[in-house]
Amino acid sequence: DQQVKQNSPSLSVQEGRISILNCDYTNSMFDYFLWYKKYPAEGPTFLISISSIKDKNEDGRFTVFLNKSAKHLSLHIVPSQPGDSAVYFCAASRNAGGTSYGKLTFGQGTILTVHP
Amino acid sequence: DTGVSQNPRHKITKRGQNVTFRCDPISEHNRLYWYRQTLGQGPEFLTYFQNEAQLEKSRLLSDRFSAERPKGSFSTLEIQRTEQGDSAMYLCASSSQGVNQPQHFGDGTRLSIL
Repeated sequence: DQQVKQNSPSLSVQEGRISILNCDYTNSMFDYFLWYKKYPAEGPTFLISISSIKDKNEDGRFTVFLNKSAKHLSLHIVPSQPGDSAVYFCAASRNAGGTSYGKLTFGQGTILTVHP
Repeated sequence: DTGVSQNPRHKITKRGQNVTFRCDPISEHNRLYWYRQTLGQGPEFLTYFQNEAQLEKSRLLSDRFSAERPKGSFSTLEIQRTEQGDSAMYLCASSSQGVNQPQHFGDGTRLSIL
């Protein structure tokens, strides 16, 4: 039961162009969404997050969009740089009532390659 | 800025042996999580602590797995009688208490079962 899916295993873009990474989820109880970047032999690094009360959050070159009706989120990176080449994971969590556990459910990841 | 620290980084052991991993979270974080990641997959939740209390365990955590966080600071994850299928990256993360707090991960312990 894959509750969070990243349907594109890989994405290749030219330096300076926009990278768009997509993620779909099935559990309507998820209300907090995150993107992580992972380099080989390192743990995931937190990039950006969004609460379900918003539909957009921006941090520098990174913007996350959330479409709750479609249960879809995306990460836009603009302009893309070669150093952005990594595996990107989307993750979702549920803050249940007044008690927040925050365990994350991850997608399978998308390998982003940015060519100079 | 001290991040999440995990030791050892790599562990190679024979099938049937016991192994123990350690995680030191970011000092002001009272929430600590363990995840497991296999090749080509995203991390999968194993268990969660708030301070010293273990509040949730995944069904992935069989009876051979045990986790502790005795004083609400560092945590250990022990696997008894290791099996081939235990080979994976074991990741630890920590976060502050409160709603919508991002988790910060360590670099993991890679376990290889011979």
